[in-house]
Amino acid sequence: GQNIDQPTEMTATEGAIVQINCTYQTSGFNGLFWYQQHAGEAPTFLSYNVLDGLEEKGRFSSFLSRSKGYSYLLLKELQMKDSASYLCADRIGDSGGYQKVTFGTGTKLQVIP
Amino acid sequence: GAGVSQSPSNKVTEKGKDVELRCDPISGHTALYWYRQSLGQGLEFLIYFQGNSAPDKSGLPSDRFSAERTGGSVSTLTIQRTQQEDSAVYLCASSVRAGPSTDTQYFGPGTRLTVL
Repeated sequence: GQNIDQPTEMTATEGAIVQINCTYQTSGFNGLFWYQQHAGEAPTFLSYNVLDGLEEKGRFSSFLSRSKGYSYLLLKELQMKDSASYLCADRIGDSGGYQKVTFGTGTKLQVIP
Repeated sequence: GAGVSQSPSNKVTEKGKDVELRCDPISGHTALYWYRQSLGQGLEFLIYFQGNSAPDKSGLPSDRFSAERTGGSVSTLTIQRTQQEDSAVYLCASSVRAGPSTDTQYFGPGTRLTVL
């Protein structure tokens, strides 16, 4: 994902809060996804933001600022099972009218006791 | 309901041989994506299909890689004259593509390719 930038690795403590940031290209932008991927498994969908603001889903929340080309995933009350890679992906419309979703390389989160 | 399926789940081949990987998307999903993921790395986009057409082939690493989709459903990714650097997990995903909030990609379990 050459247009997406997110930290490579993060470490956080069980029970704490962690924020994973993502910046993306704004040209043709139509939406921002977050996926979770545990080691050795396929990615699974977490959230999708198309409007500015914060969307909350239980312990996970996702924020988007379209004008800044910025998003973050907020994980509260961290649990050991949250140790995984978190992938940011943007949805861009191209000149042919097609929508393409491009993934970043992911942020590997390690939750420690 | 049935999710995205891929076959084979594991493939070991010798350098120089051709391999064919198959993806069965979720029924009714018009968009289909192929990605490659090397050990410990992020997703590398290869190609995507909207119906049977492939608007974006920019991710294919070389002309040894090709993909097709017929009937708007099953897709095959072919790698000719495999090289050791082709060893990776090849992931397929599909999405509905019917509206602005329906591009959630659902991933298959992947095919782990090992080239000896």
